[in-house]
Amino acid sequence: GDSVTQMEGPVTLSEEAFLTINCTYTATGYPSLFWYVQYPGEGLQLLLKATKADDKGSNKGFEATYRKETTSFHLEKGSVQVSDSAVYFCALSEETSYDKVIFGPGTSLSVIP
Amino acid sequence: DGGITQSPKYLFRKEGQNVTLSCEQNLNHDAMYWYRQDPGQGLRLIYYSQIVNDFQKGDIAEGYSVSREKKESFPLTVTSAQKNPTAFYLCASSRAGGWEQYFGPGTRLTVT
Repeated sequence: GDSVTQMEGPVTLSEEAFLTINCTYTATGYPSLFWYVQYPGEGLQLLLKATKADDKGSNKGFEATYRKETTSFHLEKGSVQVSDSAVYFCALSEETSYDKVIFGPGTSLSVIP
Repeated sequence: DGGITQSPKYLFRKEGQNVTLSCEQNLNHDAMYWYRQDPGQGLRLIYYSQIVNDFQKGDIAEGYSVSREKKESFPLTVTSAQKNPTAFYLCASSRAGGWEQYFGPGTRLTVT
């Protein structure tokens, strides 16, 4: 079945460092792809999304490009802040069942001053 | 403000008791979901509903039950048959057809 794989965490970076969190997926069709963020003790919030190949999603300085040839959707940010410390989830929405979303295991990010 | 509310934020129960977690949304979304999150782990789908009076089992439905009598409400009952009920439970909703999910703040259930 469809699945999402993310890089193992936790990731610890200094403030203003460059961030990459890798995400790859397995899907038979053309899923929509998402990044969600979860701050401590809270629910998830949508960070960005892309619905077709080569689309770039962006929000709050974060970017991710839908790469069908490599089945990837890596999250990047040029300069992280302490307030970016959270858990980041990559997810896909199956083409055959758009109402069901599959989440990756999450990657914990800590940004230190 | 539109959104999803879950109550209570913290819930404590004795082993062997059933407990119902509340989830309400005023976003006029058709689809609603329940997920379980354990420490350091991702989300696992318990149940989801695409329309009133209909719902489907997710990956870990055993020991849980749901109802969807109203579009706005999707309560989850954790029964005594659930072997490891202590977890963080998240409710979400979305428009039909592959749109992003909106999450509530979660309920942390502790069973002793």
